This record gives sequence, C-alpha cells and structure tokens, in this order.
Amino acid sequence: KQEVTQIPAALSVPEGENLVLNCSFTDSAIYNLQWFRQDPGKGLTSLLLIQSSQREQTSGRLNASLDKSSGRSTLYIAASQPGDSATYLCAGGREYGNKLVFGAGTILRVKS
Amino acid sequence: ETGVTQSPTHLIKTRGQQVTLRCSSQSGHNTVSWYQQALGQGPQFIFQYYREEENGRGNFPPRFSGLQFPNYSSELNVNALELDDSALYLCASSPGLPPEGNEQFFGPGTRLTVL
Repeated sequence: KQEVTQIPAALSVPEGENLVLNCSFTDSAIYNLQWFRQDPGKGLTSLLLIQSSQREQTSGRLNASLDKSSGRSTLYIAASQPGDSATYLCAGGREYGNKLVFGAGTILRVKS
Repeated sequence: ETGVTQSPTHLIKTRGQQVTLRCSSQSGHNTVSWYQQALGQGPQFIFQYYREEENGRGNFPPRFSGLQFPNYSSELNVNALELDDSALYLCASSPGLPPEGNEQFFGPGTRLTVL
C-alpha cells in the first residue's frame, strides 16, 4: 500500500529565500509523481509532473526531482515570494489508472 | 480550452440526506477521478471512471457512487450522509489512462457540510 509523507508540515521563511519541500513514498513502483499547490479553500493547481523515467522537471522558479530508489521527491522553490504562500501537496500515481495517493501537504508562508 | 468545473461551490445538508455533486471535465478528457479532502489532510481517492465505466475504487463504502456521461460530465452521489462526510470534494480529469496522458487537472471543489 502506497503511503506518502511530507516534511515539514509547515514552513515560514522570509521573502527571497530558496527552500526545499520534501516528499517520501513507500512504494517504489510509482508511475509518476505530481506536485500541486492549494490555496485556502480552493482546488489543486498542478505545478509539475515527473514521469517514472525522468529525474527532474523545471518550471520557472520551481524544480522537482524524483529518486525512485530512495523513495523521495523534492520541490525546490527559488527566490520565494509572498505569493508563493500556500499548501504544497505531492502525490504518487500507480500505472493503471493513475489513482493518486497524496501526502498531507506542507503549509508554506513567505513573509514580506 | 475550458478547465474543470464543479457545482455547487458550497452545500449544507443534514445527516441521513442524500447529495449529488457535479463535475464537468476538460473537453476530450476520458478519465475522471473523485477525491475527498478532510480539513488539514491530503485528498483521498474515492473512485475513477474511464469512458463511463468505473475503473477502480478507494476505501469508501457503497453509499458513495458515481456516474460519468458521454458529454464529459460526471456525478458523485452520497447517500445516508454522516457527519464525517463533511469535506471538500474534488474531481480531476485527465486525457486518458497511461500511457496516453496521466497528468490530472483538478476542479475548484465542492465544500460539503453535514449538520
């Protein structure tokens, strides 16, 4: 059974700081890993999708890596801004149907 | 291209009632998945439909049921509502089953409160 853990549960940083969010998963047969952003009371916005054959993906100030052998993924945010404040969720998908298993999320606050 | 939409935005029901939540997937997306997100937790997979057939189910009782229609819309029905059903319900669509396309796109959710 796939379990996904995110550390830290909450993080508060000053504006401009680079930061790393961690995600670990128990099932190495993961098909892909997706990072999402969620603003309070809102739906999920897909940030990055890493296929199992890939090691990392980049979009703007965001970079996500995937290491299946160690069961870990990281989301790197460069030069953080107050607008980055949100909950960040990672989710692992199995091949058939890609039903996602989510972590509980990291609540990020970037102070101006 | 329109995104994923859900209705209603908010809903208040009482214990024992029945509720229907609706989702409209992105055009051309044959797969829709439903998730339940309790406060402070990550979403939990309820079930998935692919081309109008159920394609897997999470650990939810039979009173949670669904339908998918040919026009890319879908429904989540919950019977005999319980207090613990209070949550944000999210639907997600994707172009198809892997390897056709597996990135999932989420709607804004329906906030259900059961009193």
